[in-house]
Amino acid sequence: QKEVEQDPGPLSVPEGAIVSLNCTYSNSAFQYFMWYRQYSRKGPELLMYTYSSGNKEDGRFTAQVDKSSKYISLFIRDSQPSDSATYLCAMRTSNTGKLIFGQGTTLQVKP
Amino acid sequence: NAGVTQTPKFQVLKTGQSMTLQCAQDMNHNSMYWYRQDPGMGLRLIYYSASEGTTDKGEVPNGYNVSRLNKREFSLRLESAAPSQTSVYFCASSDGESQPQHFGDGTRLSIL
Repeated sequence: QKEVEQDPGPLSVPEGAIVSLNCTYSNSAFQYFMWYRQYSRKGPELLMYTYSSGNKEDGRFTAQVDKSSKYISLFIRDSQPSDSATYLCAMRTSNTGKLIFGQGTTLQVKP
Repeated sequence: NAGVTQTPKFQVLKTGQSMTLQCAQDMNHNSMYWYRQDPGMGLRLIYYSASEGTTDKGEVPNGYNVSRLNKREFSLRLESAAPSQTSVYFCASSDGESQPQHFGDGTRLSIL
């Protein structure tokens, strides 16, 4: 079993929809949680960075962490075609810079 | 506004050939990382350098070596390339181990 599991999709939604992307993990020592966006043939770009449990909002994006369930989510409101990309969750413990990534979910937002 | 620059962008090698992938960052970051990305596997850490003068193994170090040449540059070497090393390689840097990592646009490597 992988330390971090993420549904690879693909996920296809109409423009304006609310998108929910999720990851589950097995290591209870993970404290820092990230979401990266990766466009085709580009490197991952940091979207959200959160510590421990709770919510964080940045514009149309909301990151949620539920440590008791070992479950993190990224919500995208009013999705746009420009949001079409692969979304990667990543996490680490507090005493290392080593990131563990999920497999990535490919999202397509149709006009 | 370069950030993390990787060279080359594409490379095709024959089995057994050697190759060095170059990475440079202009953000004065202390920590640098090498990942590989394979379909269905996400990104996996090969090696990292927490600070200039130090390097450590990641999740999949076998078949690779690294050199932290100076604070800006971190290279990845394949001494004897194997088809299993066909992948997209990403370099990343961060201000410290606890800070977010910033990625380059990758090197696409095919080994025949």
